[in-house]
Amino acid sequence: DQQVKQNSPSLSVQEGRISILNCDYTNSMFDYFLWYKKYPAEGPTFLISISSIKDKNEDGRFTVFLNKSAKHLSLHIVPSQPGDSAVYFCAASDFTVSGNTPLVFGKGTRLSVIA
Amino acid sequence: GAVVSQHPSRVICKSGTSVKIECRSLDFQATTMFWYRQFPKKSLMLMATSNEGSKATYEQGVEKDKFLINHASLTLSTLTVTSAHPEDSSFYICSARDPGQGLTEAFFGQGTRLTVV
Repeated sequence: DQQVKQNSPSLSVQEGRISILNCDYTNSMFDYFLWYKKYPAEGPTFLISISSIKDKNEDGRFTVFLNKSAKHLSLHIVPSQPGDSAVYFCAASDFTVSGNTPLVFGKGTRLSVIA
Repeated sequence: GAVVSQHPSRVICKSGTSVKIECRSLDFQATTMFWYRQFPKKSLMLMATSNEGSKATYEQGVEKDKFLINHASLTLSTLTVTSAHPEDSSFYICSARDPGQGLTEAFFGQGTRLTVV
């Protein structure tokens, strides 16, 4: 049973337009959510995160929105650039004082930004 | 930000041999590290949680005798794939969170592409 779901395996967007990647989760204990970007044969690199006390977090071209009641989050990239083409993973975690809990990942969405 | 280094980045080994993968936290002490495995076009699947000074905790379905984890120091965890077989070929990634920063992102190593021939 997948606790973190990314239902779109792929997404194509034209350069300059907005990319919206979606993620749903089922575990109500999750209270910290992250997006990672991954290129083939490399480890994931952190993009942006949001804690459950917020509904929006913005960092440059990247904005993450969280809808707790719907157990849904999304990553907006605007404007999209060809260099954004990669696989994007949504991840979730529950809180512990030490912060030492593993992340639970979705299956990823492959974003292709077309010039 | 914190850095996690993983070595080697790729390894090819013969069936039946063992392979050791190292994961180091470079600028923080990690009492806990995590080992993931990624299958082609699949998500990152947690294999085990490596605990410094104690036994690793394995996820259901992961053979502890096949995937030996040692976390002998606060900056190093190793994953040894014993008696490797072609089906063990995969991309293995380690990660750690900096406990000194509380609720933060996890930092990932570069990953190790294991090919068993």
